[in-house]
Amino acid sequence: AQSVSQHNHHVILSEAASLELGCNYSYGGTVNLFWYVQYPGQHLQLLLKYFSGDPLVKGIKGFEAEFIKSKFSFNLRKPSVQWSDTAEYFCAVKGRGSSGSARQLTFGSGTQLTVLP
Amino acid sequence: GAGVSQTPSNKVTEKGKYVELRCDPISGHTALYWYRQSLGQGPEFLIYFQGTGAADDSGLPNDRFFAVRPEGSVSTLKIQRTERGDSAVYLCASSLEGGRTYNEQFFGPGTRLTVL
Repeated sequence: AQSVSQHNHHVILSEAASLELGCNYSYGGTVNLFWYVQYPGQHLQLLLKYFSGDPLVKGIKGFEAEFIKSKFSFNLRKPSVQWSDTAEYFCAVKGRGSSGSARQLTFGSGTQLTVLP
Repeated sequence: GAGVSQTPSNKVTEKGKYVELRCDPISGHTALYWYRQSLGQGPEFLIYFQGTGAADDSGLPNDRFFAVRPEGSVSTLKIQRTERGDSAVYLCASSLEGGRTYNEQFFGPGTRLTVL
């Protein structure tokens, strides 16, 4: 079975600080990896995705994530956060293949990021 | 363009009652997913439809939960004999098709269900 672990439940940063949110996954096959963001009062939105090729992927709003296969990790980074980045961030994995598990997303428990102005 | 819509946005019911939650996917999206998000947790998969059929219902917690998508568009999640533990936000997502390995899932705003 797939599982996703997010190490930090709540992160508090000041504006302009650098951000790194940890994500580790468990899955016995090839995966697609995602970071979703949920801003206050809004629905889940895709931030970035990885499914093949360059393990360093860039998403919207200056976010990036690096897939390290040997560590089963897909950490989210941003060099300089803004107050508007305050949100909850979810890492998710989707298995690749013809089985049923290739369809569903498995999410981590989320990290609440609070950026202080 | 219109995104995924869900109604109602909030539903309060009493233990033992029956509820229906509706999802209207993005037009043209053949794949539809239901997830449940409990407080402090990430969304958990419930069921996936490809067209009218439930292709994977392995996430439904028990037989009190049932979902339909009779015309391949709107879907209804039905919960019988609700329990307090069913309280959660129920999320719906849709994607272009589920047959390929990757298609972005677009999420709706969710229905917050509270069982008293």
